[in-house]
Amino acid sequence: KNQVEQSPQSLIILEGKNCTLQCNYTVSPFSNLRWYKQDTGRGPVSLTIMTFSENTKSNGRYTATLDADTKQSSLHITASQLSDSASYICVVSAKTGSNYQLIWGAGTKLIIKP
Amino acid sequence: EAGVAQSPRYKIIEKRQSVAFWCNPISGHATLYWYQQILGQGPKLLIQFQNNGVVDDSQLPKDRFSAERLKGVDSTLKIQPAKLEDSAVYLCASSLQGAMAEAFFGQGTRLTVV
Repeated sequence: KNQVEQSPQSLIILEGKNCTLQCNYTVSPFSNLRWYKQDTGRGPVSLTIMTFSENTKSNGRYTATLDADTKQSSLHITASQLSDSASYICVVSAKTGSNYQLIWGAGTKLIIKP
Repeated sequence: EAGVAQSPRYKIIEKRQSVAFWCNPISGHATLYWYQQILGQGPKLLIQFQNNGVVDDSQLPKDRFSAERLKGVDSTLKIQPAKLEDSAVYLCASSLQGAMAEAFFGQGTRLTVV
């Protein structure tokens, strides 16, 4: 069964600190992996998208890594800011027939404290 | 570029009543999605349209939910009759072409069924 699991479920860190969020998936056949940021009361916004051959991608203070062999991804946030408080959702795309299916994780809720 | 527009932002109804949500995708986007997001969970795909045709509605509870995209642009999602467990945020998203393209989300409609 195609699944995406994220950890931790929630995380509280102090402003300025770094943190790493984890995503493990059992999705086949794998097409790509995306990280979304979802602020409270808003729709998700894409941070990064990685294909099978990419193992790292950055977007400002966000750096995503992908290990397609172990089926793991991480999202590292450097020098956190209060505006980073949000849910971070890992999404894996699988090719099913002629269509692509997106499998969503439950997200990690990140709280940045001043 | 205008984003995905959804209305209403909030809706409170009694169980067994009916409700409809409206979505206007980004101009030129062929693919439109409706997602249901229950508090603390990742979004769950209800239905995916490609222009005015349905690509995937495997998780849509068809006994009470319906959706249409008659002219391949705007879309409406209807629930009739609503149940308590339908309380959730309903997100609309659009992409240029298919699930491989980046999806852009609206702010969502928060539905409370009492």
